[in-house]
Amino acid sequence: DAGVIQSPRHEVTEMGQEVTLRCKPISGHDYLFWYRQTMMRGLELLIYFNNNVPIDDSGMPEDRFSAKMPNASFSTLKIQPSEPRDSAVYFCASSPPGQPPPYGYTFGSGTRLTVV
Amino acid sequence: AQKITQTQPGMFVQEKEAVTLDCTYDTSDPSYGLFWYKQPSSGEMIFLIYQGSYDQQNATEGRYSLNFQKARKSANLVISASQLGDSAMYFCAMREGLGGSNYKLTFGKGTLLTVNP
Repeated sequence: DAGVIQSPRHEVTEMGQEVTLRCKPISGHDYLFWYRQTMMRGLELLIYFNNNVPIDDSGMPEDRFSAKMPNASFSTLKIQPSEPRDSAVYFCASSPPGQPPPYGYTFGSGTRLTVV
Repeated sequence: AQKITQTQPGMFVQEKEAVTLDCTYDTSDPSYGLFWYKQPSSGEMIFLIYQGSYDQQNATEGRYSLNFQKARKSANLVISASQLGDSAMYFCAMREGLGGSNYKLTFGKGTLLTVNP
């Protein structure tokens, strides 16, 4: 089991550019979560999907952020246009269906985004 | 009000000693789960231990144990026999509504643990 795979690991972009972060969940996990981690706000849930359908996007900061899950094995988080305050580590996590066992929430290694 | 409070921004412990990291939570839901994660300097989030609100026994996983005091709404992590590799940020998290469709994890701000040789 390769775990949750995120790409890229690091991204540096200029303000105003579009940024796309990618995530491949663990096979069989039908819940997928996007979290953002900053020093100021800690870990925040941005959005999560169940069976590829967005369930709760109340954490998405504004219209510049969008997330998609076109199939069970792939999700993207897009920021357009990016701003310096978007600099953070973005984590993807996945969970199997039903009551989550303790190990249900598996996190990827994160993408460190820097917007200059 | 914050749902998860970790009052210790930083903690120091001597190698081989035990350390307790504090976590208090706030929920009116009778069914919830509490998680602890470790984040080393490399950045990944590593699951450590889980406690369900209806679990009768305190959870244990190797050197990790959870001191669950439901009436006080606290779920402190105890690390026994600290090792240098335990130096990391530790996060407490909660999921409310275990019987329903809410799968959201809410995290505390974290505690930075440093293990001294």
